[in-house]
Amino acid sequence: AQTVTQSQPEMSVQEAETVTLSCTYDTSESDYYLFWYKQPPSRQMILVIRQEAYKQQNATENRFSVNFQKAAKSFSLKISDSQLGDAAMYFCAYRSAGTTGTASKLTFGTGTRLQVTL
Amino acid sequence: ETGVTQTPRHLVMGMTNKKSLKCEQHLGHNAMYWYKQSAKKPLELMFVYNFKEQTENNSVPSRFSPECPNSSHLFLHLHTLQPEDSALYLCASSQALSLNTEAFFGQGTRLTVV
Repeated sequence: AQTVTQSQPEMSVQEAETVTLSCTYDTSESDYYLFWYKQPPSRQMILVIRQEAYKQQNATENRFSVNFQKAAKSFSLKISDSQLGDAAMYFCAYRSAGTTGTASKLTFGTGTRLQVTL
Repeated sequence: ETGVTQTPRHLVMGMTNKKSLKCEQHLGHNAMYWYKQSAKKPLELMFVYNFKEQTENNSVPSRFSPECPNSSHLFLHLHTLQPEDSALYLCASSQALSLNTEAFFGQGTRLTVV
């Protein structure tokens, strides 16, 4: 079974600064997907960024980027130019590649609460 | 506006009550999921439905009973719950016909069992 570990229960960053959230995972599979989800106080989980394990290039979405180290099974999220609206719980998640037609089950970490200060 | 809508947003029920949580998705997805989110624990997958068929029951107690009448609707029927069942219940959907797929979540139902 796969496991996802987020070792930072809470992080704090000043507005406009950069912060990195850590995530490690354990799997014996070679093909899979990794995700970072954001959960603001509204409680809805929102996808921030996605990485396919077969891609060597790190995914980037505007101010959000990842450092994907497949051999080390590490998947950290970097938030640049932090904004007040970035304050939320951030969850790292793993999904097996599966096959077409099968459902997509996510395995989540325990989350990191990010505070953004002025 | 979210593509996945959950009702109610909040629910308080006694241990002898029977209630149902509802989830509706407007995204044309064919896979739907129930997750349980408790404080300081990872989200736990409860049930998976793929094309209306239940494909996974993650050792969930029988006091939780899912129902998926069609690909757009998912219910979670609750009866004789325990206080430890108090949690945020999240519904999600995804497109099972695509390998490169993401799950979309609703805003959850905050359940309190008294």
